[in-house]
Amino acid sequence: DAEITQSPRHKITETGRQVTLACHQTWNHNNMFWYRQDLGHGLRLIHYSYGVQDTNKGEVSDGYSVSRSNTEDLPLTLESAASSQTSVYFCASSTGGWTEAFFGQGTRLTVV
Amino acid sequence: QKEVEQNSGPLSVPEGAIASLNCTYSDRGSQSFFWYRQYSGKSPELIMFIYSNGDKEDGRFTAQLNKASQYVSLLIRDSQPSDSATYLCASQGAQKLVFGQGTRLTINP
Repeated sequence: DAEITQSPRHKITETGRQVTLACHQTWNHNNMFWYRQDLGHGLRLIHYSYGVQDTNKGEVSDGYSVSRSNTEDLPLTLESAASSQTSVYFCASSTGGWTEAFFGQGTRLTVV
Repeated sequence: QKEVEQNSGPLSVPEGAIASLNCTYSDRGSQSFFWYRQYSGKSPELIMFIYSNGDKEDGRFTAQLNKASQYVSLLIRDSQPSDSATYLCASQGAQKLVFGQGTRLTINP
């Protein structure tokens, strides 16, 4: 079955370190999204991509970057981790157009 | 102003009653609207989507859309304890999917 997977599921890192969270989908979806979820804020969009070599900033993109070198993967990089980036991160994907998004299992990141 | 606004609750409803969840959006270019359910510690899962004005029913769930008022709602009939979760409203415009902050719903037996 097609799916979307995130890794790692849990990570603890130190302030100032670079961290990369992986997202891999096997649906061949064009659209991929990264969100962070914090209490009281719901899901906030970090970056999104409509296809290979395309990336766009969301509402909370500062301190994060993404790259899309193939259809299946959209890794999220925290350039210099900060305590404010402690959160649960969700990756999602969808086909082009007005269709539902499917979510990965989430990555819980703690920056100490 | 956030693009999608929800009352964060918590909303408490007795078992068997109707739960009503509301959402407003600011982008008039939004074309599709989604309701996701999220259990604690889990990923969001789609309950319903709607893109035409009016009502859309699926089992115990009814989604309502009013584009003139920029308002979306979800009704859950015959609420069950298993409906206790956070409900996320999302709008999709230009393929960007934007979520509200979610409403925490508790169904009391």
